[in-house]
Amino acid sequence: LAKTTQPISMDSYEGQEVNITCSHNNIATNDYITWYQQFPSQGPRFIIQGYKTKVTNEVASLFIPADRKSSTLSLPRVSLSDTAVYYCLVAQSSYSSASKIIFGSGTRLSIRP
Amino acid sequence: GAVVSQHPSWVICKSGTSVKIECRSLDFQATTMFWYRQFPKQSLMLMATSNEGSKATYEQGVEKDKFLINHASLTLSTLTVTSAHPEDSSFYICSAREETGAWNEQFFGPGTRLTVL
Repeated sequence: LAKTTQPISMDSYEGQEVNITCSHNNIATNDYITWYQQFPSQGPRFIIQGYKTKVTNEVASLFIPADRKSSTLSLPRVSLSDTAVYYCLVAQSSYSSASKIIFGSGTRLSIRP
Repeated sequence: GAVVSQHPSWVICKSGTSVKIECRSLDFQATTMFWYRQFPKQSLMLMATSNEGSKATYEQGVEKDKFLINHASLTLSTLTVTSAHPEDSSFYICSAREETGAWNEQFFGPGTRLTVL
């Protein structure tokens, strides 16, 4: 399982765009990059997943450079409710009973008014 | 979307007692379920992988005799914390993977807050 490195914490203000970068230098060819969001005392919630280039959904965008050794989660126009911990995960996409999600330290994002 | 529930959402018990936490996949069948533990201000730590009808696979450092896991059906896995002690107080989260889903289709429960007095 590829190890991921993220900033421990980030601060921003309402209405701003927030970009959280994750490093995964040892990513394998079959690995996908997935981001989860977790609010206090709740289980993690899937945000977005990608393999290369750019992926966008109604919540966020995910930018992955050609070498795939890093990825950037972009949250457009954040609000106070986006205050949470964001986890970057890397693992194989293929179904396997041995596949498991290992969480890194995550990034604690705080949004101020 | 797929929903995973946990029961109870919180529990307080005395030291030395056993506590059972249930994890259910409400609208899909889960061949594999995972149990995590999370201490305050820390990340989730995988405790064990539970496969329906077989013994759970525990991560290194997790005592299998203390944390009993049963996955008797495709929609239910249970975690029993035996002879709980204050250091077992934590937030326990389960996740479930759909039978035909890719690895990444794991759905997380809301968590169970365990406090051992």
